[in-house]
Amino acid sequence: DAMVIQNPRYQVTQFGKPVTLSCSQTLNHNVMYWYQQKSSQAPKLLFHYYDKDFNNEADTPDNFQSRRPNTSFCFLDIRSPGLGDAAMYLCATSRDGGNNEQFFGPGTRLTVL
Amino acid sequence: AQSVTQPDIHITVSEGASLELRCNYSYGATPYLFWYVQSPGQGLQLLLKYFSGDTLVQGIKGFEAEFKRSQSSFNLRKPSVHWSDAAEYFCAVGLYGGATNKLIFGTGTLLAVQP
Repeated sequence: DAMVIQNPRYQVTQFGKPVTLSCSQTLNHNVMYWYQQKSSQAPKLLFHYYDKDFNNEADTPDNFQSRRPNTSFCFLDIRSPGLGDAAMYLCATSRDGGNNEQFFGPGTRLTVL
Repeated sequence: AQSVTQPDIHITVSEGASLELRCNYSYGATPYLFWYVQSPGQGLQLLLKYFSGDTLVQGIKGFEAEFKRSQSSFNLRKPSVHWSDAAEYFCAVGLYGGATNKLIFGTGTLLAVQP
């Protein structure tokens, strides 16, 4: 089945130690998104790629970066994780942009020690 | 600014009872509206969406929602709840245009189902 896959499902890192989260998709969608969802809060968009065009949200901290080497893969890099970055990170994809449905992966839960 | 409000943080219903989850939005133009469901430790699954046309939309798992422009609401309903419906439900408004391509989510309503 076509799907959005996130690895790992659970990630533990140390304060200040760089970490990379991975997302892949078999849907061949050209838009990929990264959301941050803290405990008991709504998902919040960090950035998205429309094909190779990177679109950063104005309030996304510089500590968060992203790479999209090809259509199928997108990575979230946290350069120096702080305790406040502990959250569920959700990857989503959509066909084109606009009002097309976003398909979500299962998420990666990040713990910062 | 665009926003979505879900006034009920937590709701408990009995299995077989009807359900209505409230959602109010603030948006200057005709909104694109969505309801997503999230089971514990999982990603979000789309239940239904409204873009235009018939204001009563049908979704998966027996859910429906009604768009009421005069009340800026998009409430989710189900006539008979099943135990498997216990989850968190998020209402969202879609913002599109230029480089903007995002969903603004409400804070969610956690649904518990009693036997």
